[in-house]
Amino acid sequence: SAVISQKPSRDICQRGTSLTIQCQVDSQVTMMFWYRQQPGQSLTLIATANQGSEATYESGFVIDKFPISRPNLTFSTLTVSNMSPEDSSIYLCSVADSRPETQYFGPGTRLLVL
Amino acid sequence: AQTVTQSQPEMSVQEAETVTLSCTYDTSESDYYLFWYKQPPSRQMILVIRQEAYKQQNATENRFSVNFQKAAKSFSLKISDSQLGDAAMYFCAYRSPLNGGSQGNLIFGKGTKLSVKP
Repeated sequence: SAVISQKPSRDICQRGTSLTIQCQVDSQVTMMFWYRQQPGQSLTLIATANQGSEATYESGFVIDKFPISRPNLTFSTLTVSNMSPEDSSIYLCSVADSRPETQYFGPGTRLLVL
Repeated sequence: AQTVTQSQPEMSVQEAETVTLSCTYDTSESDYYLFWYKQPPSRQMILVIRQEAYKQQNATENRFSVNFQKAAKSFSLKISDSQLGDAAMYFCAYRSPLNGGSQGNLIFGKGTKLSVKP
């Protein structure tokens, strides 16, 4: 299975600032995703990070707020821009394998916005 | 659109006993994948077990097994010989096949919090 690391593991940020979260995978993967998990909630997909092209965002999420980069098949970043307390969540990177079809998650980044 | 429902917000089991977590889903697709993930207090999402819809045989992984009823769109998780380390949030998830041209994103249920009593 893929080994996924995320940086930072947690952070406390001030309102109005931005934070970039990094996701590194130990092998090349086709599909990478970014999820958000608000306190006490399930996971919600933010976007699919596409290598070499713009990310595909889910309804309710926009590029200006959550810009994503995917420069290669093992790395992606998610930026949470102009943060507000409502952005306090756990942000998880995920990768999908097709053989066999499964999906793995990174350890998550716990973000608290004051 | 596909949906996943976990009707048990919380469950409790005695150590060494067996517990079953329920999950139902709704889809019009015939080919798909189902997963159970475990999220302990560390917040790491850990894959517990996966099931391919085209397989009639229920998946098993050591103490974890599923009861997959495709016609009923039910996918329950059975944990045998429960251990203290099994205490966690358990999420049921659905995904369309990647080779079917779908985006492949997981659709999650709201989760079931499992407590294990010593």
